[in-house]
Amino acid sequence: SAVISQKPSRDICQRGTSLTIQCQVDSQVTMMFWYRQQPGQSLTLIATANQGSEATYESGFVIDKFPISRPNLTFSTLTVSNMSPEDSSIYLCSVQRASGAGELFFGEGSRLTVL
Amino acid sequence: GENVEQHPSTLSVQEGDSAVIKCTYSDSASNYFPWYKQELGKGPQLIIDIRSNVGEKKDQRIAVTLNKTAKHFSLHITETQPEDSAVYFCAASTGGTSYGKLTFGQGTILTVHP
Repeated sequence: SAVISQKPSRDICQRGTSLTIQCQVDSQVTMMFWYRQQPGQSLTLIATANQGSEATYESGFVIDKFPISRPNLTFSTLTVSNMSPEDSSIYLCSVQRASGAGELFFGEGSRLTVL
Repeated sequence: GENVEQHPSTLSVQEGDSAVIKCTYSDSASNYFPWYKQELGKGPQLIIDIRSNVGEKKDQRIAVTLNKTAKHFSLHITETQPEDSAVYFCAASTGGTSYGKLTFGQGTILTVHP
């Protein structure tokens, strides 16, 4: 599996602020995705991070709230903008390896608490 | 869109017993079905997956079965150990360029008592 590093691993944020989460992978990957896991819940896909172009968002998620960048094959960022307590979640970076068969691997997640 | 239902939500077994978790899906176009194990404070770990061209896959104590006609798939863990205690998620996707666009079940909290 790919080694996926996320920063920060956890943070406590104030309402109305924004936070950027970084995801770094140790090898080239074809696809990168961002998922959200609300407290005690399952995982929901936020968007596909496309290299060099705008991310593709799933229903219910918009670029103004969750801007995403992917400047190269091994790095992506997710920003959670103008946060409210409802944004308190685990945000997970996930990747498909270029050499794999399509399996999706997850990072350890970034645990955000918004006060 | 796809909808994945997972049962049971909690499962408690004695060490050495077997555990079975079941999932159903709604989209007949789905053809890739992974299972993830999530331990407390960690990200989901892929433990086994199955594609629609096979009915069963086994890896040591873990097996997954798929019934495409009935649109359900199951995870079987034999000879459970306390280290198997975790939250297990099933998922489905239509594969191809959408392998990574997974729809997850609600999760099963598995507790294995020594």
